[in-house]
Amino acid sequence: GESVGLHLPTLSVQEGDNSIINCAYSNSASDYFIWYKQESGKGPQFIIDIRSNMDKRQGQRVTVLLNKTVKHLSLQIAATQPGDSAVYFCAENIQVGGSQGNLIFGKGTKLSVKP
Amino acid sequence: KAGVTQTPRYLIKTRGQQVTLSCSPISGHRSVSWYQQTPGQGLQFLFEYFSETQRNKGNFPGRFSGRQFSNSRSEMNVSTLELGDSALYLCASRLKENTEAFFGQGTRLTVV
Repeated sequence: GESVGLHLPTLSVQEGDNSIINCAYSNSASDYFIWYKQESGKGPQFIIDIRSNMDKRQGQRVTVLLNKTVKHLSLQIAATQPGDSAVYFCAENIQVGGSQGNLIFGKGTKLSVKP
Repeated sequence: KAGVTQTPRYLIKTRGQQVTLSCSPISGHRSVSWYQQTPGQGLQFLFEYFSETQRNKGNFPGRFSGRQFSNSRSEMNVSTLELGDSALYLCASRLKENTEAFFGQGTRLTVV
């Protein structure tokens, strides 16, 4: 499977507990943010997104919080399940000139769910 | 609707060789981006193409290049391969700006 590195932050939670994964982004001009989940051997998979004019967005079992003052993003997963075990990446959309910009990814956090 | 398709899935090359990777985006998506993923550096942006034009480029040497065809399919090429080029290369397509990028499974390149 895909190894994501010896220095990847790891969060270990008990099945059924809530998980909170944090991310600091770099550019105060970033206008769009996404959380991705990557399982071993697969490409990143979209979880939830949020635009810079919002500070909270909820999905199914997931909530994203955006704090633009401190350039911080968090992903909350309710009732964490073993299938949630994966590496989670935050990504910020940075506008470059007149283009739609490109997604810049954080280093990732490995979530490990204990049954 | 078919997802993003990358070929080949696995590739082994020798130092000094060159390699071409292919990406077919989701139908209707005109933006294609490429990323390099390694254990040490995480996901790093290589370049983005839109309507056959490179719009953005990451901080990679000129050995890394790409192109996009009129049907939005994209290829990336790495010349004069180095051991450090061993990585998972991911392609992502987007429908329009400020929307999510959909990723393919990636091509695992090993340089020996």
